[in-house]
Amino acid sequence: AQKITQTQPGMFVQEKEAVTLDCTYDTSDQSYGLFWYKQPSSGEMIFLIYQGSYDEQNATEGRYSLNFQKARKSANLVISASQLGDSAMYFCAMREGLNTGNQFYFGTGTSLTVIP
Amino acid sequence: NAGVTQTPKFQVLKTGQSMTLQCAQDMNHEYMSWYRQDPGMGLRLIHYSVGAGITDQGEVPNGYNVSRSTTEDFPLRLLSAAPSQTSVYFCASSPTSGVGDTQYFGPGTRLTVL
Repeated sequence: AQKITQTQPGMFVQEKEAVTLDCTYDTSDQSYGLFWYKQPSSGEMIFLIYQGSYDEQNATEGRYSLNFQKARKSANLVISASQLGDSAMYFCAMREGLNTGNQFYFGTGTSLTVIP
Repeated sequence: NAGVTQTPKFQVLKTGQSMTLQCAQDMNHEYMSWYRQDPGMGLRLIHYSVGAGITDQGEVPNGYNVSRSTTEDFPLRLLSAAPSQTSVYFCASSPTSGVGDTQYFGPGTRLTVL
């Protein structure tokens, strides 16, 4: 089974609007971390936001927030007031504490296009 | 801090050639890892290391070797390049292997195997 599932290969949003990028995860561990990364067309991977499995509040970082629904095993990224510079690939990732090394698992990504 | 550095940025190899992708970090991070990124498949873990002298296999280790003789360096060796290894390779590091530690990525190496 996939550890991280991103079901939206591509998304479009109007500038200044909010957009939600979906992410579901699969783990039987109680302790895990959820991450979102942005990859612009230049190729670098940029860390956006983190949510711990024990955190009761949703994480926020500026215009980014993570809608964490533990029972549904979902960790959706919400970008408010979209800007043209938000056009990029977005990857959801999980780090679980079950195995030695606590390796990361990445989803296949969502391509976001912001329309002026 | 330079962060995570990778060399080269681009490389073209012929089938059967070997080469080493270099990765270094100056943040004294314990954990380092190598990924490959292929279209539509996200990032897949090749090898990782939780500290100097300790390495382990990830999801797609075949055809690659790693070593970690120092905290700073984590080179990836392609033993006999194949066209299936054409990909973008990312090195990453995190302070520890704790579940709350994010990874910091290098700029990537675009490898083409002819």
